[in-house]
Amino acid sequence: QVQLMESGGGVVQPGRSLRVSCAGTGFIFNDYGMHWVRQAPGKGLEWVAAISYDGRHQNYADSVKGRFIVSRDTSSNTMYLQMDSLRPDDTAIYYCAKTDLKYCSKTPCLQSSFDSWGQGTPVTVSS
Amino acid sequence: QSVLTQSPSVSGAPGQRVTISCTGNSANIGAGYDVHWYQHLPGAAPKLLIFNNNYRPSGVSDRFSGSRSGTSASLAISGLQAEDEADYYCQSYDSSLSGVIFGGGTRLTVL
Repeated sequence: QVQLMESGGGVVQPGRSLRVSCAGTGFIFNDYGMHWVRQAPGKGLEWVAAISYDGRHQNYADSVKGRFIVSRDTSSNTMYLQMDSLRPDDTAIYYCAKTDLKYCSKTPCLQSSFDSWGQGTPVTVSS
Repeated sequence: QSVLTQSPSVSGAPGQRVTISCTGNSANIGAGYDVHWYQHLPGAAPKLLIFNNNYRPSGVSDRFSGSRSGTSASLAISGLQAEDEADYYCQSYDSSLSGVIFGGGTRLTVL
């Protein structure tokens, strides 16, 4: 069955960087677009970033544009989120999610539902 | 403030039917973009309940149903059970933001 496993979360000081990972198993990872979604303490779900099935296209929420970069490694079935210039309001649980649309890129990836999610990895930005 | 508006909370007794609404505008739901719904239990991964407005993934109970009309969408849960107590989120696409949007979430309490 489809499994997504996030890792790499932790405590980091404001202004520093952190990279979180998402490993996918149980499906053909390179056939599907992927997303990052976060949930700050006491808040709702917030979409963060998306990457097309082939890694050629990325989209970002305005709140992270210019600071976060999403990428994927086809050889290891892993997606990454490089987070730079971290701020306290980036504190959240970061979830990765799989689109339900094969070979999606750009807008179709952003319109599709997320049929599988990981358990999340916590990121705390604090001095 | 979320672009998609959901009531913060809803409640119902076991066996009853509740409806959770999700209101958008002409740049998202009103533009015809699909709405998806998720159930989120504390400490767990969110779970897809309804996709493309009114379709249930395999394995999701038929007690859950969805609809979309105009600039709004709704999730209905019939035959409420204690295990339905969770947070529920709607999701769509917004053309003015060029991105994915979620509702603020609705906490369902089973009395």
